[in-house]
Amino acid sequence: AQSVSQHNHHVILSEAASLELGCNYSYGGTVNLFWYVQYPGQHLQLLLKYFSGDPLVKGIKGFEAEFIKSKFSFNLRKPSVQWSDTAEYFCAVNAGGFQKLVFGTGTRLLVSP
Amino acid sequence: NAGVTQTPKFQVLKTGQSMTLQCAQDMNHEYMSWYRQDPGMGLRLIHYSVGAGITDQGEVPNGYNVSRSTTEDFPLRLLSAAPSQTSVYFCASSYSDRNYEQYFGPGTRLTVT
Repeated sequence: AQSVSQHNHHVILSEAASLELGCNYSYGGTVNLFWYVQYPGQHLQLLLKYFSGDPLVKGIKGFEAEFIKSKFSFNLRKPSVQWSDTAEYFCAVNAGGFQKLVFGTGTRLLVSP
Repeated sequence: NAGVTQTPKFQVLKTGQSMTLQCAQDMNHEYMSWYRQDPGMGLRLIHYSVGAGITDQGEVPNGYNVSRSTTEDFPLRLLSAAPSQTSVYFCASSYSDRNYEQYFGPGTRLTVT
C-alpha cells in the first residue's frame, strides 16, 4: 500500500529563514504529488502539484517543490518565510493518477515575527 | 461559484445517535470524497464517488455510509455515532477521477460524547 512520510512534525522558524519540509512516498509506479496547506481555522488549499514534466514545481506564495524520482521525494521549499506562512502543511500522493489521495501526517510550521 | 460547501460546521452528538453531514459542490465535478482529519494522522479517506450512483470505500469506511444521487451532493451518514468518530470531516471534489486537483470544503468538526 502507498504511504507518505513527513519527517518533520513541528518546525519553528524566524521570519526570513529558509524552509524545507521533507516528504517521501512509497510507490514504484507513476504518481501525482501535491502539497496542501491548512491555515489556522481554514480548509485545505492546494499549494502546488506535480503531474509530469519539469520536476521543479512552483506554486503559490513563493513555494516550490522538487520531485526526485530516485529518492521517492517531493520536498517543499521557500527561500524566505513570513509570519503569514504559519500553518500546517500536508504532502499527498495518488498512484497512477487516480484520485485516492494518501496524505502524510502533516508538518506544523510556526513562523515567529 | 461557491465551490465545496459543508454543513454543519460544528456538531455534538451522543453515542448511538445518527446524523448526516452534508456536502455539495457547484463545479460539476464528477469525483467527490470524504476524509477525516485526526491529530498526528493526517487525512484519511472514508468513502469516495466517481459519479452519480457510484460509490466505493476508502481507507476507513466502517461506521459510515454514503450515497450519490446527484452530481452535486455527497452526504456522509453516521449510523450510530461512537467517540472514535470524533474528528474533523472534509469533503473534496475534483473534475474527474484522475489527474486533476481536489478542492476541499471548510470542514465539519464533530464531537461524540
